[in-house]
Amino acid sequence: NAGVTQTPKFRVLKTGQSMTLLCAQDMNHEYMYWYRQDPGMGLRLIHYSVGEGTTAKGEVPDGYNVSRLKKQNFLLGLESAAPSQTSVYFCASSTTSGTHNEQFFGPGTRLTVL
Amino acid sequence: SQKIEQNSEALNIQEGKTATLTCNYTNYSPAYLQWYRQDPGRGPVFLLLIRENEKEKRKERLKVTFDTTLKQSLFHITASQPADSATYLCALESGGATNKLIFGTGTLLAVQP
Repeated sequence: NAGVTQTPKFRVLKTGQSMTLLCAQDMNHEYMYWYRQDPGMGLRLIHYSVGEGTTAKGEVPDGYNVSRLKKQNFLLGLESAAPSQTSVYFCASSTTSGTHNEQFFGPGTRLTVL
Repeated sequence: SQKIEQNSEALNIQEGKTATLTCNYTNYSPAYLQWYRQDPGRGPVFLLLIRENEKEKRKERLKVTFDTTLKQSLFHITASQPADSATYLCALESGGATNKLIFGTGTLLAVQP
């Protein structure tokens, strides 16, 4: 099992450009999450999904959109990137049937917006 | 709103000693609390979960305590090794049946040989 994978690993955008970050998991998990991690701020939840075709806002959703068309994939979109969106983005997944309710994280995408 | 505090200063200890990291929270009573380890350039990795009705949980050299009266969790690494050097994150479940978590900012542990 590859676990949770993210593409791309690095990206540099200019202000106003758009891009999509892809998260894939092969553990058949129901729940998926997108976080951003900034120095001194910790991990903050952007959007999450409790199943295929469903999404919900997290703590910092503004400027981002998400889609979960397939259970194994969770896409994070930036329609018009801003320098404030420079961050490291992590995707995570979790199952409803586990005893620990832990989240499994991907390796992250480092995004720089100039 | 829910707030989690972890010591933002790095913790430096000698190899073989016990490292103790603190996680304090306010404005909430979580059903469980988790600890994760994060290495530079990598995603967090789950270590331990402790539920509100548990005082202590152990896993190998790791021990977690959960005091719901003090609203505090302590994370201990006994017989610490340089390989334990990493950032350790505390996370609280944020309610609802979604396994959503609220993370602290983490504490950097450096174990000196």
